[in-house]
Amino acid sequence: EDQVTQSPEALRLQEGESSSLNCSYTVSGLRGLFWYRQDPGKGPEFLFTLYSAGEEKEKERLKATLTKKESFLHITAPKPEDSATYLCAVQADYQKVTFGIGTKLQVIP
Amino acid sequence: GAVVSQHPSRVICKSGTSVKIECRSLDFQATTMFWYRQFPKKSLMLMATSNEGSKATYEQGVEKDKFLINHASLTLSTLTVTSAHPEDSSFYICSAGTRGNYEQYFGPGTRLTVT
Repeated sequence: EDQVTQSPEALRLQEGESSSLNCSYTVSGLRGLFWYRQDPGKGPEFLFTLYSAGEEKEKERLKATLTKKESFLHITAPKPEDSATYLCAVQADYQKVTFGIGTKLQVIP
Repeated sequence: GAVVSQHPSRVICKSGTSVKIECRSLDFQATTMFWYRQFPKKSLMLMATSNEGSKATYEQGVEKDKFLINHASLTLSTLTVTSAHPEDSSFYICSAGTRGNYEQYFGPGTRLTVT
């Protein structure tokens, strides 16, 4: 059974304090690993797809990396507007996606 | 691009009544749509996958007679919660994808409260 574990469950950062969120996964034949951002009461917003170990993608202050067992979402010099829950998900079978519980990030001014 | 809408955003209904939630892909054709349920502090739980023009595939433990899914066109899927009970109260989110593309794009969600 596919499994996704995210850590930490919650993270509190000062504005400008860089950090990383972790997503460990167990999947038979990874087709893709996804990162989403979710604001309270809203649906997830797509951020990145990573397909193979060694791949990296960046968007503004966010950078996602992938190894064979885990993915990291690095946040550089975060701002309060980066506060949200970040979800990691993996896809093995065609279009069935397994989500982690998420990391709730709070960035304090 | 890749915008998905849901309607309504919030609904309150009485126990025993049915509620329909619509999910639309606004700027692309969604060959597959997914329905999720999300509980507080829990991960998204896939309820069912629907392909345009065919019957939905339900996940284990999801009652197909209670959660009716219709995917009549490439831009519209509906979820009907029949004979709703308070335990059906939750946040329901749809997503849409296209054949050959692994990304899913999510709608804003519908908060259902059954009184």
